[in-house]
Amino acid sequence: QVTLRESGPALVKPTQTLTLTCTFSGFSLSTSGMCVNWIRQPPGKALEWLARIDWDDDKYYSTSLESRLTISKDTSKNQVVLTMTNMDPVDTATYYCARIGSGSYRFDYWGQGTLVTVSS
Amino acid sequence: DIQMTQSPSSLSASVGDRVTITCRASQSIRNNLNWYQQKPGKAPKVLIHAASSLQSGVPSRFSGSGSGTDFNISISNLQPEDFATYYCQQSYSTPRWTFGQGTKVDIK
Repeated sequence: QVTLRESGPALVKPTQTLTLTCTFSGFSLSTSGMCVNWIRQPPGKALEWLARIDWDDDKYYSTSLESRLTISKDTSKNQVVLTMTNMDPVDTATYYCARIGSGSYRFDYWGQGTLVTVSS
Repeated sequence: DIQMTQSPSSLSASVGDRVTITCRASQSIRNNLNWYQQKPGKAPKVLIHAASSLQSGVPSRFSGSGSGTDFNISISNLQPEDFATYYCQQSYSTPRWTFGQGTKVDIK
């Protein structure tokens, strides 16, 4: 079955760079049409799409955060990595990775999320 | 980016009630609209895709409708496990999909 799991630090200091890893199983990111996304949710607030990487290595970013984000994949390890630079307390959130399956115009599988707190 | 606005932000209902949540897009998104359910401490789960198609395994008491800019999700015969927060999400403006602000359904 399809699973995704986020990992990374629970606490980062302001101005530091955050690196999160999504490790997945049950599908291959080399399969045509597959995509993995990062989405975040500040405590008590709504969901915000951050970034996406496609099977063909196309990459897309939130317009408002593009300058701070980098997404990459390691197909052999079934991992997608997101880095976010210059972290600020407003970036405190639960960060999710989520899949878009081939031909599926929806986030059909999600990780359980990882809470990242930005504080000195 | 396409803005998605949900109403109401919250509602109180009783088991057995029928509830409807509305989502409005800032421009036409045809039928490229999905609905998710999120319970506290859990990841969202897709309920309805393409505005009205029920995701596999989702109970038939959930239904979706709409096209263009206005959409609804209805839950008939509300069950205890349906108390949650619901989000709409547009998949028209690829790749920058956007979510509504959420509607919390709690027990009256």
